[in-house]
This record gives sequence, structure tokens and C-alpha cells, in this order.
Amino acid sequence: ILNVEQSPQSLHVQEGDSTNFTCSFPSSNFYALHWYRWETAKSPEALFVMTLNGDEKKKGRISATLNTKEGYSYLYIKGSQPEDSATYLCALYSGGGADGLTFGKGTHLIIQP
Amino acid sequence: ETGVTQTPRHLVMGMTNKKSLKCEQHLGHNAMYWYKQSAKKPLELMFVYSLEERVENNSVPSRFSPECPNSSHLFLHLHTLQPEDSALYLCASSPRTSGSDEQYFGPGTRLTVT
Repeated sequence: ILNVEQSPQSLHVQEGDSTNFTCSFPSSNFYALHWYRWETAKSPEALFVMTLNGDEKKKGRISATLNTKEGYSYLYIKGSQPEDSATYLCALYSGGGADGLTFGKGTHLIIQP
Repeated sequence: ETGVTQTPRHLVMGMTNKKSLKCEQHLGHNAMYWYKQSAKKPLELMFVYSLEERVENNSVPSRFSPECPNSSHLFLHLHTLQPEDSALYLCASSPRTSGSDEQYFGPGTRLTVT
């Protein structure tokens, strides 16, 4: 059973501040790392899929980095806005014949005006 | 809108009932998935279909029975469920089962077993 850990579990951030959170995974089982944003009453929405060590991806104010050798990824949000309030999920794809994602429990982000 | 729809959005059923959850995508994707999210647990993969063939079953109890009649539709047939099966059931699709493809999720069906 793969263990994907996310921290912190929840986070309150003032509007305008920048923030980041972590996803940890077993480095020996890495094929791809996914980040999703899940707003309340909506569907999870893909942010990034990362496959290469040292990869850095950006979408607007949100960016992510990946370290496959030590088994972690960071998600950064610059200048938080109320619409960034959501649960952010990371998921590991380990390949090797397994065709599904193993998800972490998520980081619940609340942006306070 | 992700292009993946699920019906019904909410379902209450007794332990002796038989019901089905439906998922539909018209994104041209070849892979479809069922996930379960129970309270305070991460999303758990239940089933994976690639080109209408099941490729993974994560040791799911037989009271959950998936069906994929074509690449656009996925069903989850439910029978003699237990109260602990109450959860949010999410469907997703992706172009392939390759882990480098992002998945597109439906809004989920909130299931309550009484």
C-alpha cells in the first residue's frame, strides 16, 4: 500500500498572503505526481501532472515543484484570493502495471478576507 | 464543467435495495474510473476501465459491480450494501490509463445506506 502524505491538513491564510504546502510520497514508487483543486460542491479539477525530477510548473498564481529523489512536491500560491479556498489533493501514479492514482488526504485551504 | 456527468447526485437506499450509479463522458477518453471517498479518508480507487475492459479492481467487495458498455458510459451497480458503504462516489476519465494524463472528474454521487 502506497502512502501519500499531505501537510498541513488545513491552513488559514490572509487574503493577499502567499502560502505553500507539501506532498510526500515513496520515491521508489514514482512515475507521475498529480495535483488537483477541489472546491466545495464542485468536481476535482486538475492543476498539474509532473513526471520529471526538478520539474516546475505554473498556472497563473499557482506553481508546483517536484523532487522525485527525496519524494516530495510543493504547491505554492502567490497572493492568495478568496477563490483559492479549496482542498488541494496530490496523487501518485506508481506505474508498474497499476493503472490508478493513490491520493493523499488533501490540504484544506481557507483564505480569509 | 469538466465534461463528466454523474447521476444521481444524491441517493438514499436501504440495505436490501438494488440501485445503479451512472457516469457519462463525451471527451473522447478511453479510460474511466470509479473512486470512493469516505469521511476523513483519501479518495480510494475502486475500478479502472481501459477501452471498456476492466484493468484494475482494488479488492472491492462483490456488492459493487461495475459495467462499461462503451467508452462513454460507466455504471456502478449496487446491491445489498452496508451502512459503511455510505460515501461520495466519484467517476473520472482520462485519455489513456497512462499516469501522465490528468483525470477529469464528475461531481460525484452522495450515497447514504440506511
